[in-house]
Amino acid sequence: QKEVEQDPGPLSVPEGAIVSLNCTYSNSAFQYFMWYRQYSRKGPELLMYTYSSGNKEDGRFTAQVDKSSKYISLFIRDSQPSDSATYLCAMSGASGGGADGLTFGKGTHLIIQP
Amino acid sequence: KAGVTQTPRYLIKTRGQQVTLSCSPISGHRSVSWYQQTPGQGLQFLFEYFSETQRNKGNFPGRFSGRQFSNSRSEMNVSTLELGDSALYLCASREIVGSDEQFFGPGTRLTVL
Repeated sequence: QKEVEQDPGPLSVPEGAIVSLNCTYSNSAFQYFMWYRQYSRKGPELLMYTYSSGNKEDGRFTAQVDKSSKYISLFIRDSQPSDSATYLCAMSGASGGGADGLTFGKGTHLIIQP
Repeated sequence: KAGVTQTPRYLIKTRGQQVTLSCSPISGHRSVSWYQQTPGQGLQFLFEYFSETQRNKGNFPGRFSGRQFSNSRSEMNVSTLELGDSALYLCASREIVGSDEQFFGPGTRLTVL
């Protein structure tokens, strides 16, 4: 079992829909949780960063962490075609990655249909 | 500020050869990490350098090595290339070790034939 599981998709939704992206993990030592967005032929860019359990909101994006269930989510409200990209969850046991770096999910390919 | 730059952007090599990839971090950033991205395994941590010293290393064979120079620029080297080394190699920089946000470069696409 991989440490981080993420549905690769593709996930296709109409413009304006609420998008829900999820990851599950097995390592209970993870405390720092991130979501990255990666456009084709580009490097990942950090969208959201959360420490421990709880919710964090930034504009149209909301990140949720449920450590008891080892489950994290990213919600995108009022989705736009420009949100079409691959979304990667990442996590670590120490700030900034620590000794093992960041552990990433394989990414979910999201398509927003105009 | 200019972002993280990686050269070359694309590279084709044959099995058994060696390759060197280069990464220039954001000005002022002293930590550089390298990741390998493949469709099968996703993004995997290779190693991190800070102040010319390797801090951490992921679970990769010794054929993968790196170094960092006094200006924080970093290189990674892969010797005796295998077909399975075909991947996107990403470099990420951050201001200091332990800071939360890593800024990724566009990557070097390595194809091994």
